Amino acid sequence: QKEVEQNSGPLSVPEGAIASLNCTYSDRGSQSFFWYRQYSGKSPELIMFIYSNGDKEDGRFTAQLNKASQYVSLLIRDSQPSDSATYLCAVSSWGKLQFGAGTQVVVTP
Amino acid sequence: SAVISQKPSRDICQRGTSLTIQCQVDSQVTMMFWYRQQPGQSLTLIATANQGSEATYESGFVIDKFPISRPNLTFSTLTVSNMSPEDSSIYLCSVEEGDGGTEAFFGQGTRLTVV
Repeated sequence: QKEVEQNSGPLSVPEGAIASLNCTYSDRGSQSFFWYRQYSGKSPELIMFIYSNGDKEDGRFTAQLNKASQYVSLLIRDSQPSDSATYLCAVSSWGKLQFGAGTQVVVTP
Repeated sequence: SAVISQKPSRDICQRGTSLTIQCQVDSQVTMMFWYRQQPGQSLTLIATANQGSEATYESGFVIDKFPISRPNLTFSTLTVSNMSPEDSSIYLCSVEEGDGGTEAFFGQGTRLTVV
């Protein structure tokens, strides 16, 4: 059974602080790793993807991948109330995505 | 990135009827994917649609319930057949781009309510 695990939260983060989201996966053959943001009632929106070990930064977001530990994380710096959403970790094997259950993030003013 | 248009965006349907969801991409793509997101749940892959061949269904999903068409490299449809309230979900179309599927994008989704 291939699995993608995330803490469901909610993760409460003060405005301006760093939100740290974690994800582990079981399929060592996974090739690409994605973080999506989903607002209630909306479709998932791609934030970042990463496929090499290490860090990848894009604006206030940093994705970190450690394939040996089968671990991928997302850091959100300077968190804003508009970052309040559910964050979905997804793992791809030949284009097919397997999703975690999502972590709800609540940024408090 | 690919622009994906999905229709309808939402619908309310009577049980026992069928609904066909359309997915149009602004570029040619090899594989298109259909996902379901049940209320309060994460996304689950229904099937992979390749142009010119039968769709490949994931465990728990069958062609009779979710027939898929893929007539060309920019278009696909998913039909939800003989609907019941348990089919009430968001249905999403997705495509991959980049080598090895390095980017995956979603349409805006179809919110289906079965009454």
